[in-house]
Amino acid sequence: GENVEQHPSTLSVQEGDSAVIKCTYSDSASNYFPWYKQELGKRPQLIIDIRSNVGEKKDQRIAVTLNKTAKHFSLHITETQPEDSAVYFCAAWMDSSYKLIFGSGTRLLVRP
Amino acid sequence: GAGVSQSPSNKVTEKGKDVELRCDPISGHTALYWYRQSLGQGLEFLIYFQGNSAPDKSGLPSDRFSAERTGGSVSTLTIQRTQQEDSAVYLCASAPGLPYEQYFGPGTRLTVT
Repeated sequence: GENVEQHPSTLSVQEGDSAVIKCTYSDSASNYFPWYKQELGKRPQLIIDIRSNVGEKKDQRIAVTLNKTAKHFSLHITETQPEDSAVYFCAAWMDSSYKLIFGSGTRLLVRP
Repeated sequence: GAGVSQSPSNKVTEKGKDVELRCDPISGHTALYWYRQSLGQGLEFLIYFQGNSAPDKSGLPSDRFSAERTGGSVSTLTIQRTQQEDSAVYLCASAPGLPYEQYFGPGTRLTVT
């Protein structure tokens, strides 16, 4: 069935260190992979996305990599700051059902 | 420009009552989604509308839940005979097409007492 698995569920890093969150998906036809950041009590907001015709995309301290063969993609945050603390959700677009399936989320804590 | 708006922001209702939640998508966006997010949990897909196509209702948890979208714009999610397990934040999102970035509204926090 349609499924996106996300790991880890919680991640604690020291300010300035890097954070990596990994996701795997089930539908080999998936071609769009966004990442959302949700601060406490706020709505999810897109921070970066990648389409299946590229393997990596960067935006300042944030990067996403995609391995279509292995059906996994990762979010990399470098030089983490306390304001990066939030819940991060990965998602994969399922062409078979026209739905965006979300991972279960990763709670990132950046310690000052 | 205006983003996705939802109303009410908070709703407290008694068990057994019906509630209606409203979503105003970004103008011109053809796709509209409803999700449910329980406290500390992920996003659970409920239903989506795309243009004039029949909605995908595959995520609705029971027949107490229904949704409609009038004129390809505003959407209403209705929960009949609410139960305590319906308590959650209901998020609406719209997108300019498929598959594109979904823009989320602020959500409606529903509490069933």
